[in-house]
Amino acid sequence: AQSVTQPDIHITVSEGASLELRCNYSYGATPYLFWYVQSPGQGLQLLLKYFSGDTLVQGIKGFEAEFKRSQSSFNLRKPSVHWSDAAEYFCVTDSWGKFQFGAGTQVVVSP
Amino acid sequence: NAGVTQTPKFRILKIGQSMTLQCTQDMNHNYMYWYRQDPGMGLKLIYYSVGAGITDKGEVPNGYNVSRSTTEDFPLRLELAAPSQTSVYFCASMDRGFTEAFFGQGTRLTVV
Repeated sequence: AQSVTQPDIHITVSEGASLELRCNYSYGATPYLFWYVQSPGQGLQLLLKYFSGDTLVQGIKGFEAEFKRSQSSFNLRKPSVHWSDAAEYFCVTDSWGKFQFGAGTQVVVSP
Repeated sequence: NAGVTQTPKFRILKIGQSMTLQCTQDMNHNYMYWYRQDPGMGLKLIYYSVGAGITDKGEVPNGYNVSRSTTEDFPLRLELAAPSQTSVYFCASMDRGFTEAFFGQGTRLTVV
């Protein structure tokens, strides 16, 4: 069965510093991959998605992610974080319309 | 365009009580889902539906029931509430192309 692993449960980053969140997937074929963000007390918002083609994907709010088949990874990056980026981030894979969520990474932004 | 709407936002239930979490979407999506979110566990799929009249179990269906009589609505029923069902519940919908799932704002349920 396919799955996604987010190795980091919690990350603290200084405002203005770069951010990278790790995601590893387990799937036989090329999966559909997504990153969602959940702000405190809110629903989930799509940041970006990868289906095929270019391995570097641009998303909203200045985020990007790179699909690396050789490493089974889909890491999320942002060059300079803002305090408003404090949230929980989920890596998600899709299997015939059923989303499989990673456990999430909580991002704290320090002044 | 309201997207996915869940009601209620908060609810406290006593053990053994029943309730229905409502979910409606106005995007004419065929696929609808119910997830529960527990701390450190991500979201787990409870039930899903690929269209009106069709439902199927997800990863954690025990203690829940669903129905899908219309494209728009996908209610989740808890018949005998248990403390283990204390969680945040999210409803979602998706189009046939699986391009994006849209989530409701969630229902925070506490069973005491």
